[in-house]
Amino acid sequence: AQKITQTQPGMFVQEKEAVTLDCTYDTSDPSYGLFWYKQPSSGEMIFLIYQGSYDQQNATEGRYSLNFQKARKSANLVISASQLGDSAMYFCAMILYSSASKIIFGSGTRLSIRP
Amino acid sequence: NAGVTQTPKFQVLKTGQSMTLQCAQDMNHEYMSWYRQDPGMGLRLIHYSVGAGITDQGEVPNGYNVSRSTTEDFPLRLLSAAPSQTSVYFCASTPRVTGQETQYFGPGTRLLVL
Repeated sequence: AQKITQTQPGMFVQEKEAVTLDCTYDTSDPSYGLFWYKQPSSGEMIFLIYQGSYDQQNATEGRYSLNFQKARKSANLVISASQLGDSAMYFCAMILYSSASKIIFGSGTRLSIRP
Repeated sequence: NAGVTQTPKFQVLKTGQSMTLQCAQDMNHEYMSWYRQDPGMGLRLIHYSVGAGITDQGEVPNGYNVSRSTTEDFPLRLLSAAPSQTSVYFCASTPRVTGQETQYFGPGTRLLVL
């Protein structure tokens, strides 16, 4: 079965600390990609970072990095030096290139940053 | 570029009514998709399209129809609205079907079915 699992429904982190949001995935497709999105309280979906299954290096975008461990089927998001504006829902998603590019989402993690 | 636009932003329907949620993108993206997001939950894929004339079902297609007659437009039709279809609906588009991609999301349509 193709599935994305986010086991942390909610997290509280002190401002300026680093935070890791967990994401594990299950697929038999040989070719896939993994995304992270941020959804603030305003509701829009904001793309953060992408990692392809064949990418050798972990993706980084500013304060965001994706800790991709293919053998463990995990794609954790690391946010360095968290800010109050990072408080939001975070979704992990997977695109399955061998399955007509179907995209599936995890259930999300609500991150709250304490001042 | 307007990006991905969705209309309407809000809609209230009675059970049994039909309606079409509109989605358009002006970025010449091949891939478009519809998701629904229920309160406190992630997005679930309803239908998607990898190009004009091609559509396929996602995780929760029942009660919805789509068509893709042009690259720009990807309307979602509710055939006979039910309270279980109360949700926020997001449309998204992607420039290519392979390779590194960024999905561009519309602002969402909030639908209430009474």
